Amino acid sequence: GQQLNQSPQSMFIQEGEDVSMNCTSSSIFNTWLWYKQDPGEGPVLLIALYKAGELTSNGRLTAQFGITRKDSFLNISASIPSDVGIYFCAGREKTSYDKVIFGPGTSLSVIP
Amino acid sequence: DGGITQSPKYLFRKEGQNVTLSCEQNLNHDAMYWYRQDPGQGLRLIYYSQIVNDFQKGDIAEGYSVSREKKESFPLTVTSAQKNPTAFYLCASSIGGGRNTEAFFGQGTRLTVV
Repeated sequence: GQQLNQSPQSMFIQEGEDVSMNCTSSSIFNTWLWYKQDPGEGPVLLIALYKAGELTSNGRLTAQFGITRKDSFLNISASIPSDVGIYFCAGREKTSYDKVIFGPGTSLSVIP
Repeated sequence: DGGITQSPKYLFRKEGQNVTLSCEQNLNHDAMYWYRQDPGQGLRLIYYSQIVNDFQKGDIAEGYSVSREKKESFPLTVTSAQKNPTAFYLCASSIGGGRNTEAFFGQGTRLTVV
């Protein structure tokens, strides 16, 4: 099936630093979603993007829907210890409205 | 409160036994999904359902079965044919109906087969 590529695979940063991660696909997507998962819990939706070029913020988080519709990025500004977790991108292909597929995740560690 | 409920949180079963994981939602969502997550891995789609009495295989459906008799419920059965069933299972739902909307997750069920 369709695979999403997510990078980097893991990150270790100092508290207060900004973070950037991205996600790419080989096909056009109509929706991009960014989730955060804490250990042993279900993913929690952070930001949803529905239009090419769309830039959306949620507090210190900002995500963009790439113009080509094949990529998206997530930025976290001024990281804090509670930002630790796994961040997943997910999306829907143009041809499959109701099938949500996920990237492999970016593991974020924040050093106080 | 509206949401998705998975039960139980932890489940232990002997090898060779079938086991059914529960997923209930009161969000009035049409679409529901089951994902499997292995340690340090992403989410892999097992089955999804766009509407009651209809469901589709995902990428790793072998050894699993589902039913969608009610809009609110999408139980997953892990059968003895699943070679490596120990994993974290996540259920999700979305409005569906061909509309691009976000999926919301339950808290997950950790299945351990011994």
